[in-house]
Amino acid sequence: EIVMTQSPATLSVSPGERATLSCRASQSVSSNLAWYQQKPGQAPRLLISGASTRATGIPARFSGSGSGTEFTLTISSLQSEDFAVYSCQQYDDWPHTFGGGTKVEIK
Amino acid sequence: EVQLVESGGGLVQFGGSLRLSCAASGFTFSSYAMTWVRQAPGKGLEWVSGIGESGSGNTHYADSVRGRFTISRDNSKSTLYLQMNSLRAEDTAVYYCAKKGDYYWYMDVWGKGTTVTVSS
Repeated sequence: EIVMTQSPATLSVSPGERATLSCRASQSVSSNLAWYQQKPGQAPRLLISGASTRATGIPARFSGSGSGTEFTLTISSLQSEDFAVYSCQQYDDWPHTFGGGTKVEIK
Repeated sequence: EVQLVESGGGLVQFGGSLRLSCAASGFTFSSYAMTWVRQAPGKGLEWVSGIGESGSGNTHYADSVRGRFTISRDNSKSTLYLQMNSLRAEDTAVYYCAKKGDYYWYMDVWGKGTTVTVSS
């Protein structure tokens, strides 16, 4: 199966600063990669699909990039509501594996 | 409003069985593939199983559940199911159902989840 590795595990950022999250696949997944946001006690929410396409209603401060094995989620200016756990998922091959997640916390 | 509501979770003994349901509304259920994802306490998301629009012959499983779990759907009832047999402690998790996106297998709508606890 394709192993998805996210880094860092925890990212401490001040409000207003930029956050850069990484996701690496053990083999190419083309652009078949999604990013999800999850807050405590809530279900995940789709942010990005196709590596770079924002989902409906997602603010422009969220952007995704990459293809193949290396992907990045960037939050350009962190707002208070953005502190959460972010997970990447590949849907190029079965099983559709997730990364372990990156927790973005307030610095 | 597009909505997914899971049910059927609970406390079950090691080796027991449980059937989860996911009731869909607000969209044409029969036109979308569906997925189950779980999250163990304090852990990340784990993809569990997926099923195509028509169901039969188009099912997929994580290695950790293959042979023990069965995904199915009843399009006439707009309901997704997960039959879980031979349950283990490591199956303890919140189980989410999710709807496939319009074109690819990302998940654009999620339910709130149902909790399964396997006791030894």
